[in-house]
Amino acid sequence: AQTVTQSQPEMSVQEAETVTLSCTYDTSESDYYLFWYKQPPSRQMILVIRQEAYKQQNATENRFSVNFQKAAKSFSLKISDSQLGDAAMYFCAYRSASGADKIIFGKGTRLHILP
Amino acid sequence: EPEVTQTPSHQVTQMGQEVILRCVPISNHLYFYWYRQILGQKVEFLVSFYNNEISEKSEIFDDQFSVERPDGSNFTLKIRSTKLEDSAMYFCASSETSGGTLGTDTQYFGPGTRLTVL
Repeated sequence: AQTVTQSQPEMSVQEAETVTLSCTYDTSESDYYLFWYKQPPSRQMILVIRQEAYKQQNATENRFSVNFQKAAKSFSLKISDSQLGDAAMYFCAYRSASGADKIIFGKGTRLHILP
Repeated sequence: EPEVTQTPSHQVTQMGQEVILRCVPISNHLYFYWYRQILGQKVEFLVSFYNNEISEKSEIFDDQFSVERPDGSNFTLKIRSTKLEDSAMYFCASSETSGGTLGTDTQYFGPGTRLTVL
């Protein structure tokens, strides 16, 4: 069974600084998708970034980028120029590309932005 | 931008009562999902639904749970006889497709319904 592990329950970063959230996963599959979702206090789950496992190039979305290391099964999220609105719970997530619908989530990392 | 909506935002019920949680997926989406998040725990998959049928369900989704698309816009989760341990945030999600490389299988989540069972 696939698992997703986020080892940092909480992190803090100064506004305008850069922070990296860690995620590792375990799977025997070769083709899959990885995601970072953001859950602000409003509780809405918002997709931040998506990575296809077959792509070697790391995904980027504006200030958000990932470091995808397939062999190491590592998928970290880097947030540059942190803003107060980035404060949220961040979930790393996995989905098989073999037709399974379910997304498997990590426990989350709560990110605090210090003004 | 289109979004998934859920009602109510908070539902309080007595143990043993039936509850129906409602979701309106994004209009051109064909695949629908329910997840739940018990306070302080992981978000867990419950069920996926396509073409008026369940396509996948987890061990959590037992006979007490059912899903339905009663009309062209709503997608509901019914819990027949609620238990204390059903207290959680329930998230609905939808996607345009269930696979592919164009990103159309990305699941978009609603804001959740907080269910409290007393």
